[in-house]
Amino acid sequence: GQSLEQPSEVTAVEGAIVQINCTYQTSGFYGLSWYQQHDGGAPTFLSYNALDGLEEKGRFSSFLSRSKGYSYLLLKELQMKDSASYLCAALRNVQLIWGAGTKLIIKP
Amino acid sequence: NAGVTQTPKFQVLKTGQSMTLQCAQDMNHNSMYWYRQDPGMGLRLIYYSASEGTTDKGEVPNGYNVSRLNKREFSLRLESAAPSQTSVYFCASSEGQRGDVYEQYFGPGTRLTVT
Repeated sequence: GQSLEQPSEVTAVEGAIVQINCTYQTSGFYGLSWYQQHDGGAPTFLSYNALDGLEEKGRFSSFLSRSKGYSYLLLKELQMKDSASYLCAALRNVQLIWGAGTKLIIKP
Repeated sequence: NAGVTQTPKFQVLKTGQSMTLQCAQDMNHNSMYWYRQDPGMGLRLIYYSASEGTTDKGEVPNGYNVSRLNKREFSLRLESAAPSQTSVYFCASSEGQRGDVYEQYFGPGTRLTVT
């Protein structure tokens, strides 16, 4: 089967670190992407992991473990503007298969 | 560059009416996509066009048709709208080689309500 599971909501405090998880059961995929989507807005690309391990991009990092069917997005030094939904998507052939998204709520 | 543009932004249809959603990109991308997004669900692929002149069904193609008019434009048509097609529709594009499909650029979306 092809499915990606994400928690529906995560709450964190401004200035802190938060981890958003994505587990998958899809087979035959090439890698995993993360996107950010603000309320009422369009998804925007954040990162892509083609290989196992950690990819760092400023305050955002993404990790992939193929053997465990697991990925996470790590956001450091949280800012209020990071309040959004975060979508994971697995690349299979020429398509992305999407998770339902995790809504990140940041408290002052 | 405008990126990916979509028209209209909002639309209300009655059951049985037809309409076409327009999408254009100015990034010279080869691949284009139409998704729908419903509350609590991930983006679901309706149709895609891997390159100019080709179109293929995605996960939820029933009730829709597409046209890849040229490299820039990819339209989505609802022939006979149903309430189940109430959704937010996103058009996206990517450079198109297999390795570049993971980075897609999205338009602002069309919010469609069918009554």
